[in-house]
Amino acid sequence: DVKVTQSSRYLVKRTGEKVFLECVQDMDHENMFWYRQDPGLGLRLIYFSYDVKMKEKGDIPEGYSVSREKKERFSLILESASTNQTSMYLCASSSRQGNTEAFFGQGTRLTVV
Amino acid sequence: GENVEQHPSTLSVQEGDSAVIKCTYSDSASNYFPWYKQELGKRPQLIIDIRSNVGEKKDQRIAVTLNKTAKHFSLHITETQPEDSAVYFCAATPYGGSQGNLIFGKGTKLSVKP
Repeated sequence: DVKVTQSSRYLVKRTGEKVFLECVQDMDHENMFWYRQDPGLGLRLIYFSYDVKMKEKGDIPEGYSVSREKKERFSLILESASTNQTSMYLCASSSRQGNTEAFFGQGTRLTVV
Repeated sequence: GENVEQHPSTLSVQEGDSAVIKCTYSDSASNYFPWYKQELGKRPQLIIDIRSNVGEKKDQRIAVTLNKTAKHFSLHITETQPEDSAVYFCAATPYGGSQGNLIFGKGTKLSVKP
């Protein structure tokens, strides 16, 4: 059974703080993604990685960075959290072979106050 | 980059009726089109997908059709049940150095009334 696990379900941070969201998958997937989910806006891609140390910007990378030092772990970093980054963050992973299903984590509800 | 448009944003049907959700995409190189269902408070999960070499795929009450010429694909749910109530997302995968990069539509909130 595929597992994609995000480190926190709920997180409250102050404006200006550096925030780390962690995601771990146990299926040896090459691809990992970070999405942001807001009502009416769907799932917007922030960053994705197709290999260790590789990353590509998605549609809304501003204010975020990522790190992938190990294949199973993909971190999303908010360098200086702002209130407009209050959102649900979803991590996902998929195999690179033949365009296959993406498996999602349970999500992290981040509130920036 | 790829852009996926999804309609309608909300859909309400009576139990037993059919529901149709439509998506269009912009990148003609996209070749993989999955549909995800997200129940309230849960993570999105794949319900059906289609690849560009296939025009239609069916799995029990769910079917997906793909028109590559028009760059649109649709989800069809027949004999809807209250447990079909959820948000449905379509997605498309573009090629070009980005393997498996999924771009999603904005979602359709389906309500099935008993």
